[in-house]
Amino acid sequence: GNSVTQMEGPVTLSEEAFLTINCTYTATGYPSLFWYVQYPGEGLQLLLKATKADDKGSNKGFEATYRKETTSFHLEKGSVQVSDSAVYFCALDYGNNRLAFGKGNQVVVIP
Amino acid sequence: NAGVTQTPKFQVLKTGQSMTLQCAQDMNHNSMYWYRQDPGMGLRLIYYSASEGTTDKGEVPNGYNVSRLNKREFSLRLESAAPSQTSVYFCAGSGQVSYNEQFFGPGTRLTVL
Repeated sequence: GNSVTQMEGPVTLSEEAFLTINCTYTATGYPSLFWYVQYPGEGLQLLLKATKADDKGSNKGFEATYRKETTSFHLEKGSVQVSDSAVYFCALDYGNNRLAFGKGNQVVVIP
Repeated sequence: NAGVTQTPKFQVLKTGQSMTLQCAQDMNHNSMYWYRQDPGMGLRLIYYSASEGTTDKGEVPNGYNVSRLNKREFSLRLESAAPSQTSVYFCAGSGQVSYNEQFFGPGTRLTVL
């Protein structure tokens, strides 16, 4: 089936540190891949996406590269800010714009 | 533009009661979706509507029904609420502004006692 696996547990780091959140997927074919972000008390919003292998999605300093050989779409940011504190979800489109989400990672950035 | 709106924001029900969660969008989306979010589970698709007049089951449809009233509105109904339906419910739309990007509402927090 179609599924997304994110690394376990919250991520706590200091301001200006490097952030990586791992995401791997299982799917038929080559689905579009997404990172969504959820700020406290809000709905999800799209952070970035990639629609085919080797594509790099980027937005607000965040990047993720679609790697079909490792079925991965890891999220990275070189220097995080307190305002990046949120929950981050990896997702894939398995047809008709239906999304399968990972469990999410809480990111806490300490000043 | 309000985007995707949901009502109510909070609701407490007793087991066996019924209620309808409302969702409306002013972004002219063709497709609309209902998800539930539970701690440690991510979001799971309950029902979706690929276009006006059509609805289909998602991953966890049991205990729910939906109505795509028109292009703007997509409601989710709980006929007989159960404690297992305590969750945060999100509505989303897609297909008009940016292909395959979903736009989410602010959510409804539902507690079933």
